[in-house]
Amino acid sequence: GNSVTQMEGPVTLSEEAFLTINCTYTATGYPSLFWYVQYPGEGLQLLLKATKADDKGSNKGFEATYRKETTSFHLEKGSVQVSDSAVYFCALGVYSGGGADGLTFGKGTHLIIQP
Amino acid sequence: NAGVTQTPKFQVLKTGQSMTLQCAQDMNHNSMYWYRQDPGMGLRLIYYSASEGTTDKGEVPNGYNVSRLNKREFSLRLESAAPSQTSVYFCASSEWGELGGYTFGSGTRLTVV
Repeated sequence: GNSVTQMEGPVTLSEEAFLTINCTYTATGYPSLFWYVQYPGEGLQLLLKATKADDKGSNKGFEATYRKETTSFHLEKGSVQVSDSAVYFCALGVYSGGGADGLTFGKGTHLIIQP
Repeated sequence: NAGVTQTPKFQVLKTGQSMTLQCAQDMNHNSMYWYRQDPGMGLRLIYYSASEGTTDKGEVPNGYNVSRLNKREFSLRLESAAPSQTSVYFCASSEWGELGGYTFGSGTRLTVV
């Protein structure tokens, strides 16, 4: 089956620090990979995605590269801000051809940025 | 633009009571999903509907039923609530076959006592 493993945290950093949140996966077939972000009291929002090997997704200063050889999709940001404090979820989806079967999510990483 | 609307936002039930969580989307999406979110467990898929008229079980369907009432609405029913169903429930929608283009509702926080 499909699964996603990510560091759970909490991860605490100072403002302007470099961020890496690790994500590795196992999947049948050829998955697409995603990072979602959840701010307190809200639903999840798509942050970035990559649909094939070596693709790089990017948005709002965050980046992640689809590494098929290491089955990884690590999230990075060069300089974090207090407003980046949230829970980040790595996810994968494998389109079966019969319709959208739902994404598989990791357990989430709670990121805390201190001023 | 509402996106995905879930009602209610909060609910407390007694063990054995029933209730229906409502979800509606106004983006003309074909696919809709129900997830539950528990501490340390991430999001787990309960049921999904790939298109109007179809529903399928996800990872944790026991104790739940769903109805895809029309293209806009996808409801989740707890027939006999149990404390293990205390959770935050999220509805989401996406275009047909568009992986990752999920729009999530803001969630329903359910407590079963």
